[in-house]
Amino acid sequence: KQEVTQIPAALSVPEGENLVLNCSFTDSAIYNLQWFRQDPGKGLTSLLLIQSSQREQTSGRLNASLDKSSGRSTLYIAASQPGDSATYLCAVDGATNKLIFGTGTLLAVQP
Amino acid sequence: ETGVTQSPTHLIKTRGQQVTLRCSSQSGHNTVSWYQQALGQGPQFIFQYYREEENGRGNFPPRFSGLQFPNYSSELNVNALELDDSALYLCASSFRGNRAEKLFFGSGTQLSVL
Repeated sequence: KQEVTQIPAALSVPEGENLVLNCSFTDSAIYNLQWFRQDPGKGLTSLLLIQSSQREQTSGRLNASLDKSSGRSTLYIAASQPGDSATYLCAVDGATNKLIFGTGTLLAVQP
Repeated sequence: ETGVTQSPTHLIKTRGQQVTLRCSSQSGHNTVSWYQQALGQGPQFIFQYYREEENGRGNFPPRFSGLQFPNYSSELNVNALELDDSALYLCASSFRGNRAEKLFFGSGTQLSVL
């Protein structure tokens, strides 16, 4: 049974700092991995999707990496801003768009 | 904006009642998935609908049921509501067969069961 874990559960950093969020999964037989952002009480916004054959994806200040063999992914956020404050969720797809989510990392960027 | 709309945004029900949540998928998408997100948790997969039929189900009891309509919109029905059903219910749409595509979520329906 696939399990997804995210560390840390919460993170507080000063504005401008670079940071890394971690995601691990137990079954390496995945089709893709997605990182999402969720603002309080809101839906999910997809940030990056990495196919199982890819090693990383970049969008602006965000970079996500994937190491399938070790069951790990990282989300790197460069030059963090207060507007980046949110919960970040990773999810793996082991079947047609049926995602298994981690519990998220709550990020607070202090001005 | 993702193009996925959910209604209502908030709902308060009492234990034992029934509720129907609605979702309109993004244009061009033929698959709708429903997720339940309890406070402080990641979303949990409830079920998925493709071409008006259920295509996979998570670990939820039969009192959670759904429908998909010819226009690919969808409903989630929950009977005999329990206090633990209080959660954010999220709908996501996608195009079956295109796994290179991101999943698009609606803003959710916040259900409170008293």
